[in-house]
Amino acid sequence: QVTLRESGPALVKPTQTLTLTCTFSGFSLSTSGMCVSWIRQPPGKALEWLARIDWDDDKYYSTSLKTRLTISKDTSKNQVVLTMTNMDPVDTATYYCARGIWFGEYYFDYWGQGTLVTVSS
Amino acid sequence: QSVLTQPPSASGTPGQRVTISCSGSSSNIGSNTVNWYQQLPGTAPKLLIYSNNQRPSGVPDRFSGSKSGTSASLAISGLQSEDEADYYCAAWDDSLNVNWVFGGGTKLTVL
Repeated sequence: QVTLRESGPALVKPTQTLTLTCTFSGFSLSTSGMCVSWIRQPPGKALEWLARIDWDDDKYYSTSLKTRLTISKDTSKNQVVLTMTNMDPVDTATYYCARGIWFGEYYFDYWGQGTLVTVSS
Repeated sequence: QSVLTQPPSASGTPGQRVTISCSGSSSNIGSNTVNWYQQLPGTAPKLLIYSNNQRPSGVPDRFSGSKSGTSASLAISGLQSEDEADYYCAAWDDSLNVNWVFGGGTKLTVL
């Protein structure tokens, strides 16, 4: 059974760096054709993709946010970590991690429950 | 402003068939496959359709997807009250960098 769970601070101050951890089970990120992405959703708004890390450690970032994002994985711990620098109140959102599986392209079949991050002084 | 364009709302009565459209461009829908997600209030998105028209196991066959050119559609037949949710389309975009782009979401109301 595939599960993912996001963890991190619920509240961060403007200009601080956010670090989120996705802990997963039921699959291995060292298996060919697997990846994990981070996606966020501001309250009442649409989904926004942030970053992706593949089984072979290839990394991809949102064009609009790439200067602020870093994604990494610890295969032995079944974890993926996302850092986002210089946080701003507009970054207030629920942050999700999701598993990607290759079917000609990656699609995301399992999602975590999400973690709400509020940016406020 | 979302890269993919969806109508903000749709509605139907129980038993009806409803379609939700998703419009993109040559760099996303025109050259990559489309996925559809259902998001019930307060929950994470759930995969409904992948690779334009494939249903994961457990998704009722009332849900179907199609794609033509730079547009895609999600159809829901035999509408049920539990289908009331937000629906999002998504696709990879190859324009400048590899990005996964979403539509703005469609709120489906079952009257």
